[in-house]
Amino acid sequence: DAGVTQSPTHLIKTRGQQVTLRCSPKSGHDTVSWYQQALGQGPQFIFQYYEEEERQRGNFPDRFSGHQFPNYSSELNVNALLLGDSALYLCASSSTGGFGNTIYFGEGSWLTVV
Amino acid sequence: DAKTTQPTSMDCAEGRAANLPCNHSTISGNEYVYWYRQIHSQGPQYIIHGLKNNETNEMASLIITEDRKSSTLILPHATLRDTAVYYCIVIQHAGGTSYGKLTFGQGTILTVHP
Repeated sequence: DAGVTQSPTHLIKTRGQQVTLRCSPKSGHDTVSWYQQALGQGPQFIFQYYEEEERQRGNFPDRFSGHQFPNYSSELNVNALLLGDSALYLCASSSTGGFGNTIYFGEGSWLTVV
Repeated sequence: DAKTTQPTSMDCAEGRAANLPCNHSTISGNEYVYWYRQIHSQGPQYIIHGLKNNETNEMASLIITEDRKSSTLILPHATLRDTAVYYCIVIQHAGGTSYGKLTFGQGTILTVHP
């Protein structure tokens, strides 16, 4: 059973460019959340997708957008990249069924903006 | 979601038990206590979670006080590979409106030394 998988693992972009990061949730999970983790900080919640809709959003500008596909996989898009967007981007998946379900994280995508 | 308070850092000798405390005095009845750890440059790893009963799995034990205002994560025989940042997080159950949105604090840096 594959866990949460993310791609790419590392990438370098130039200021002003756009980036798309991808996530496949753990088998059986239908909810995907995205987090940004700057160096030396804890992960910060960006948004959550369930049933192909954004359900919750953290304090991130509209440059950050996402999508969830019918197979529950998800993409995170960041437009007009800034140097401050350099971070580890984490995807987490969970299931809305039941109580106290575990939330699992992928290994993340390292984004460097130069 | 309830806030948590953890010590900034702790040391533990290899082979000894590591006891990591967490205060969550404002926890509500529908919130679980989750523990994750993050080894440098990797995604957060799920350790254990609980509601009000003590829990044990192959990685650790979780002791929750009767009033649920604090908890302790116990790594029974710490190894060098347990050196990581440990996060204590309270999360609403799957039916809650903010389910899946994890709020990470600074966590506890656990250093296991030989």
